Amino acid sequence: EAQVTQNPRYLITVTGKKLTVTCSQNMNHEYMSWYRQDPGLGLRQIYYSMNVEVTDKGDVPEGYKVSRKEKRNFPLILESPSPNQTSLYFCASSSVYNEQFFGPGTRLTVL
Amino acid sequence: AQSVTQLDSQVPVFEEAPVELRCNYSSSVSVYLFWYVQYPNQGLQLLLKYLSGSTLVKGINGFEAEFNKSQTSFHLRKPSVHISDTAEYFCAVWGGGSYIPTFGRGTSLIVHP
Repeated sequence: EAQVTQNPRYLITVTGKKLTVTCSQNMNHEYMSWYRQDPGLGLRQIYYSMNVEVTDKGDVPEGYKVSRKEKRNFPLILESPSPNQTSLYFCASSSVYNEQFFGPGTRLTVL
Repeated sequence: AQSVTQLDSQVPVFEEAPVELRCNYSSSVSVYLFWYVQYPNQGLQLLLKYLSGSTLVKGINGFEAEFNKSQTSFHLRKPSVHISDTAEYFCAVWGGGSYIPTFGRGTSLIVHP
């Protein structure tokens, strides 16, 4: 089954404690991206990757890091989380300029 | 930079009534258009897309949308809604020289019995 998986689905953490949200896809897509969803703001892209070892900033990259060492995986790293990063996060994969396949989401709360 | 405007944040409608969710975007240069649906506590899934060809696009669950280049619009329609259509709907635009897809802020469709 074609899918994008994310882990964990729910996470409560404290300010400053480094965390990683994993993302994996099994569709051999070149393009992967991370979004955050906040009420009234829709989806905003954090980072994207066009292929292995190729990443670039989206609209709201501050406070986040990513890496793309393998085509299937695209982890999101928060090295020093802050309360304003409390949000719902989605990973997505696709061919460029085509339908994106979204993961189930990770609900992050930073206290 | 590309922008997407979903003109209604919330659309209440009665079951079996028709509905239109509006979407306008800023650039008419080589863009690709998408509508996604998000059911409660789920991720987004594709309803329909316009990449090229016919300007009237049909999607899943009886939805359709029309690409209007002159008005830079891509409105979503359904002739008769069901309770199960209650969800958040997002319009998205990709292209126009950018590798970053742009999403609208979403329209909450609320179907009343």
